[in-house]
Amino acid sequence: DAKTTQPNSMESNEEEPVHLPCNHSTISGTDYIHWYRQLPSQGPEYVIHGLTSNVNNRMASLAIAEDRKSSTLILHRATLRDAAVYYCILREATSGTYKYIFGTGTRLKVLA
Amino acid sequence: EAQVTQNPRYLITVTGKKLTVTCSQNMNHEYMSWYRQDPGLGLRQIYYSMNVEVTDKGDVPEGYKVSRKEKRNFPLILESPSPNQTSLYFCASSTRLAGVFATDTQYFGPGTRLTVL
Repeated sequence: DAKTTQPNSMESNEEEPVHLPCNHSTISGTDYIHWYRQLPSQGPEYVIHGLTSNVNNRMASLAIAEDRKSSTLILHRATLRDAAVYYCILREATSGTYKYIFGTGTRLKVLA
Repeated sequence: EAQVTQNPRYLITVTGKKLTVTCSQNMNHEYMSWYRQDPGLGLRQIYYSMNVEVTDKGDVPEGYKVSRKEKRNFPLILESPSPNQTSLYFCASSTRLAGVFATDTQYFGPGTRLTVL
């Protein structure tokens, strides 16, 4: 099963961009890269996903390396409400299985 | 309001006493899943279900059972709980995955904190 690795924690100043990295060197061709975040005392919530091309939505941007072995979640202007644990996930979709493999996540601290 | 609900939210029990954690979604989602979350280990998938009567193992299925008799419900059953099943449990649901290259967004419930003494 393909796995992801992320730094345990990162810090950012409020109003500044944040780049959260994720390594997934054993990714397969049909694995989508998803990002979720978990605010304190809540269940995870979807942030963004992609396959090969960079993606943008109202919450964030996702930059995917050309070889797909790594990706970066970009929060353009961090706010205090963005303080959470961010999970990089490979959505495995081969051989009829649809497992989700979560990494250990990066705890993002946002400093006022 | 579209949501995934779990009951109970908190449960303290003793080793060996069978319990069921219920999960229900009102979004008509085909896919449902159970996760456990432990410090330092992140979220790990226990079981998932592609549709009614279709279930499959995730990464850590040992000691758990599930059933999917109705589309909206996906209960997690611990036949003989042990202390190592003390954890925070999340249920999630998403729309049908249309083919190998399709993708989806999972909606998570609020979590059930289980303590097994």
